[in-house]
Amino acid sequence: GENVEQHPSTLSVQEGDSAVIKCTYSDSASNYFPWYKQELGKRPQLIIDIRSNVGEKKDQRIAVTLNKTAKHFSLHITETQPEDSAVYFCAASIGSSGSARQLTFGSGTQLTVLP
Amino acid sequence: GAVVSQHPSWVICKSGTSVKIECRSLDFQATTMFWYRQFPKQSLMLMATSNEGSKATYEQGVEKDKFLINHASLTLSTLTVTSAHPEDSSFYICSARDARGRSEQYFGPGTRLTVT
Repeated sequence: GENVEQHPSTLSVQEGDSAVIKCTYSDSASNYFPWYKQELGKRPQLIIDIRSNVGEKKDQRIAVTLNKTAKHFSLHITETQPEDSAVYFCAASIGSSGSARQLTFGSGTQLTVLP
Repeated sequence: GAVVSQHPSWVICKSGTSVKIECRSLDFQATTMFWYRQFPKQSLMLMATSNEGSKATYEQGVEKDKFLINHASLTLSTLTVTSAHPEDSSFYICSARDARGRSEQYFGPGTRLTVT
């Protein structure tokens, strides 16, 4: 089955700096890659996603890049703010429209933005 | 739109009893719902995939007789933890995928189960 590895497990940055979290996946059939932000005791919130037919996607301070050849994708947060502090999970999914689309999650990154 | 609710948000039960957790999609129909378990400071681990009107598909290592899943309608799936033990204490989260075929999964707020 699919295996997703995520690095680093913890990341501390100064407010205003950028943060980068990287993930690799094993199954070349994966075609959907969402990123989730989870605050303590809360549900994961989708912050951005990318499909395999796109190499990069940006939404304000958040961007995701995908390298299908190398089977890795990354989350970039610019101009970090204290409220960005949370655990971030990457995930990968295999399947076409209408199928189950099970998500395999990475191990998570605890991001701390220092004021 | 795309709201998923879970009930209860937290529950404390005694060892040996059963607990039912409900997952509802409030403003969309979900042919598929997923159940995850999350231990403190760990990732989400998929337990099972719940399909409306059919039997759930369990991940390897998850006991189907212990974690009973029922997906009786397009908006409701239930997870029953039977004969709960302290090691079943965890954060259980469901997610639902829109029946219209979109890729996104929408997560419920989670249920904190504590077995004493």
